[in-house]
Amino acid sequence: EAQVTQNPRYLITVTGKKLTVTCSQNMNHEYMSWYRQDPGLGLRQIYYSMNVEVTDKGDVPEGYKVSRKEKRNFPLILESPSPNQTSLYFCASSLSRVNEKLFFGSGTQLSVL
Amino acid sequence: DAKTTQPPSMDCAEGRAANLPCNHSTISGNEYVYWYRQIHSQGPQYIIHGLKNNETNEMASLIITEDRKSSTLILPHATLRDTAVYYCIVPSNTGKLIFGQGTTLQVKP
Repeated sequence: EAQVTQNPRYLITVTGKKLTVTCSQNMNHEYMSWYRQDPGLGLRQIYYSMNVEVTDKGDVPEGYKVSRKEKRNFPLILESPSPNQTSLYFCASSLSRVNEKLFFGSGTQLSVL
Repeated sequence: DAKTTQPPSMDCAEGRAANLPCNHSTISGNEYVYWYRQIHSQGPQYIIHGLKNNETNEMASLIITEDRKSSTLILPHATLRDTAVYYCIVPSNTGKLIFGQGTTLQVKP
């Protein structure tokens, strides 16, 4: 089944403790992206990647890192999480960066205490 | 990057057509309009997309004005399960995608 898989679904951590949220897709998609969603603010793009080893900042990249070493994986790294990064995170992928529909993961609810 | 504007909320009676508008006045000639919806806190789901012609699929219809500055998503017979946040977006060639806050559609019995 074609899908975007995020893990974990829920994560509670403490300020400053490094964490990684994984994202994997099995559709051989070139484009992958991370979003965060906060109440009243809609979906905001954090980082995106148009292919392996090609990443770029979205609208809210501060405090986050990403890597794209393999086509299928696009992990989101929080080196030193802070409470303002408490949010619902979504990973998405599409065949290419332009004019292709996005497939979204189920989301990761992160709480930073 | 083309920006879209949508009303924050709309109501619709169950069984009636829901017409959700979107303004994208800065859209350029080769940019598509995409619609997604998000139910509760699930991952957004693709609905439909179009360039200049009207489009229809099993979920909805998309009407794009001739000047392409606005579009309307039509759910022909809304059900309670269509209650969701609907996003209109215009993907840019740069790869950035701006979702905005979308329109919260409440379908009422």
